[in-house]
Amino acid sequence: KAGVTQTPRYLIKTRGQQVTLSCSPISGHRSVSWYQQTPGQGLQFLFEYFSETQRNKGNFPGRFSGRQFSNSRSEMNVSTLELGDSALYLCASSLEGGSGTQYFGPGTRLLVL
Amino acid sequence: DQQVKQNSPSLSVQEGRISILNCDYTNSMFDYFLWYKKYPAEGPTFLISISSIKDKNEDGRFTVFLNKSAKHLSLHIVPSQPGDSAVYFCAARFYTGGFKTIFGAGTRLFVKA
Repeated sequence: KAGVTQTPRYLIKTRGQQVTLSCSPISGHRSVSWYQQTPGQGLQFLFEYFSETQRNKGNFPGRFSGRQFSNSRSEMNVSTLELGDSALYLCASSLEGGSGTQYFGPGTRLLVL
Repeated sequence: DQQVKQNSPSLSVQEGRISILNCDYTNSMFDYFLWYKKYPAEGPTFLISISSIKDKNEDGRFTVFLNKSAKHLSLHIVPSQPGDSAVYFCAARFYTGGFKTIFGAGTRLFVKA
């Protein structure tokens, strides 16, 4: 079974621009979560989607948004980029039930100049 | 609001000895606790989990202990190997209309040969 894939792997943007990141979950996984990782901050939860609906949201400004499609693929959008948005953005998919073990993609490293 | 804390940013251990990584939490609603390992330029990979109704779970060289009264869990790696050198994240999950997983800031483990 193919793992979680994320595109692009690397991205350089300038302040004020917007960016869209893509995530394809493991086949059969309907839950997709997004995280931001910055040095010393661990993984900060952004949001979780299940069956095209956002079920949970972290404490990020409205500039961060996402969506999920009927095939469970998900996109994350950040508008009006700020320098502090430079981070590794990770997507994870999981099955419902059990421990909810999440399977992570390799991440998209975003650099905002 | 750091509900999951890993107070040691790094840990250095000799090959063959035991590595003990610690994690504290504050939210009594967590029902599952998980440990993930992360190598540079890769997404975190699931290592081991424990349900809140158990106090120990073992998988090969990895054992997780949960002390609910102290709101503390630990990951033991015995014997430690150089390939175990990575960042270890403690995570805790609870259900709030959908699953939400909170991660600690991570502990970087160095296993010296």
